Amino acid sequence: NAGVTQTPKFQVLKTGQSMTLQCAQDMNHEYMSWYRQDPGMGLRLIHYSVGAGITDQGEVPNGYNVSRSTTEDFPLRLLSAAPSQTSVYFCASSYDEGTEAFFGQGTRLTVV
Amino acid sequence: GENVEQHPSTLSVQEGDSAVIKCTYSDSASNYFPWYKQELGKGPQLIIDIRSNVGEKKDQRIAVTLNKTAKHFSLHITETQPEDSAVYFCAAIGDDYKLSFGAGTTVTVRA
Repeated sequence: NAGVTQTPKFQVLKTGQSMTLQCAQDMNHEYMSWYRQDPGMGLRLIHYSVGAGITDQGEVPNGYNVSRSTTEDFPLRLLSAAPSQTSVYFCASSYDEGTEAFFGQGTRLTVV
Repeated sequence: GENVEQHPSTLSVQEGDSAVIKCTYSDSASNYFPWYKQELGKGPQLIIDIRSNVGEKKDQRIAVTLNKTAKHFSLHITETQPEDSAVYFCAAIGDDYKLSFGAGTTVTVRA
């Protein structure tokens, strides 16, 4: 039982490049979400999904896309990377919105 | 949406002393208040949570209190140990069902 798995752990992008951060969970959780963590700002919600085929925007969605074709996977796409997207990204899953969220190990992204 | 404020941003305590972290929230409809601990290089991990129908909850050296009238909740760690050194986040779920986090408290336990 791996929990929530994020890949890659580290990534350096050039401004304007695109990439996908992968997130997979093996707990059969319906609720999945993406956060970014910046110094002094806690974790801010980017996008979330309450089940396969359903996604919605969080607090800071601009510049990011998501899709949820299966219960297990919730990839986050950066369409055209900008230096302001330099951050640590965490994926999380939970049984539903009001229960324990399990976090992945994070992806440290640097945009130069 | 929910707005969660957390204080202090840093906290240094002597081993064996207590640590207290306080959070306030804005949405009176919020009903779930988890606390997460994040160690260096890892993702946050739930350490304790409380729901709005409960005023206090304890788990060994950790306790959380909730005051719904004042819209604040606190984390208490007693008999601190070096392994308690980490970043702690409070969070709340508002009526939009989204989890909102405080800015975090870096706790350092001095030996």
